[in-house]
Amino acid sequence: NAGVTQTPKFQVLKTGQSMTLQCAQDMNHNSMYWYRQDPGMGLRLIYYSASEGTTDKGEVPNGYNVSRLNKREFSLRLESAAPSQTSVYFCASSEVWASGDPEETQYFGPGTRLLVL
Amino acid sequence: KQEVTQIPAALSVPEGENLVLNCSFTDSAIYNLQWFRQDPGKGLTSLLLIQSSQREQTSGRLNASLDKSSGRSTLYIAASQPGDSATYLCAAYNFNKFYFGSGTKLNVKP
Repeated sequence: NAGVTQTPKFQVLKTGQSMTLQCAQDMNHNSMYWYRQDPGMGLRLIYYSASEGTTDKGEVPNGYNVSRLNKREFSLRLESAAPSQTSVYFCASSEVWASGDPEETQYFGPGTRLLVL
Repeated sequence: KQEVTQIPAALSVPEGENLVLNCSFTDSAIYNLQWFRQDPGKGLTSLLLIQSSQREQTSGRLNASLDKSSGRSTLYIAASQPGDSATYLCAAYNFNKFYFGSGTKLNVKP
């Protein structure tokens, strides 16, 4: 049981390059999330997917796109990377009640460290 | 919009001390409040989850309390150990989202 996995672990990009961060969970959770973590700012929600086939914007969605490929996988794409997107990116998943509220805690992946030059 | 604040930002204590970490939130209409631990270079690990109808939760040497009316939660760590050194984050859930504080970095000195 791997929990939440993320690839790659590290990435260096040049300004303007594109890349996709991959996330997969094996806990059969309905909800998945993408966060970024910057020094002194905690975690900020980029996008989330309450269930397969749905995605919604979080607090800081500009410059990102997401795809909920299936129940297991949720990817985050940077179309044209900027230095301001240098950060650590975390994927998380949780189970939810029919109301949409979380049934239990979130489970986090190990993170992707991205540097944009 | 929910705002979550954690004080202090950093804390250094000698081994064996009991300590309290604070978390405050601006909107009391939360569904639950969670405490996480983050080790350097790692993801977050859930420590305790308090549902909005609960006042506290305990796990081993950890006790978390919740006072929705005042918008506050505290994490109490008893008999601290060097292995407790990490960053502790709280997160409030409402409006279909989790809102995180910026964390308290704890250093427990041997």
